[in-house]
Amino acid sequence: SQQGEEDPQALSIQEGENATMNCSYKTSINNLQWYRQNSGRGLVHLILIRSNEREKHSGRLRVTLDTSKKSSSLLITASRAADTASYFCATLPGAQKLVFGQGTRLTINP
Amino acid sequence: DAGITQSPRYKITETGRQVTLMCHQTWSHSYMFWYRQDLGHGLRLIYYSAAADITDKGEVPDGYVVSRSKTENFPLTLESATRSQTSVYFCASHRGLTSYEQYFGPGTRLTVT
Repeated sequence: SQQGEEDPQALSIQEGENATMNCSYKTSINNLQWYRQNSGRGLVHLILIRSNEREKHSGRLRVTLDTSKKSSSLLITASRAADTASYFCATLPGAQKLVFGQGTRLTINP
Repeated sequence: DAGITQSPRYKITETGRQVTLMCHQTWSHSYMFWYRQDLGHGLRLIYYSAAADITDKGEVPDGYVVSRSKTENFPLTLESATRSQTSVYFCASHRGLTSYEQYFGPGTRLTVT
């Protein structure tokens, strides 16, 4: 069964706008990660947030984690056409095995 | 250049045939993983390996066999392919222990007819 559930499943915005994706999970975790997948390609790691962290930034990415609500959000600011991709959250409940959600498909319109 | 590669990239096979998907990484990462990606299911872990000669089942291991005689290689074998195994297969690796970031290969698109 999937640990992470992303919301929304699909998101379409205009270039320059901010994109926010959410992830909810079920069990306690060591960390939560976000990955990007361009069409026809493998996943690429974006950012990792540990269970004792509440917010983390990397370039135009901002991730928050609320362990009390078992949820995380990924914010992409000033979106670009190149940000068009699917975004997955992945949790690490333990033992090195990531559990992925089903992803959010983000489309940036020019 | 160092990286993780998969072969073949595309494969069409018939029901009942044995198929082996190859995965090779040049980083000497301890951990390697096999996932399948299907619409509506996201990525699901098939098998993983913590080191050479150490493998363990993931969420959906039935119908698959793995081996890891060398650190850099982690082949996945479908012993008798079924249509339900039509999927995109991804191999991934990470250094292990406190390094949790996984590096993914480009994927193998397998069609079982």
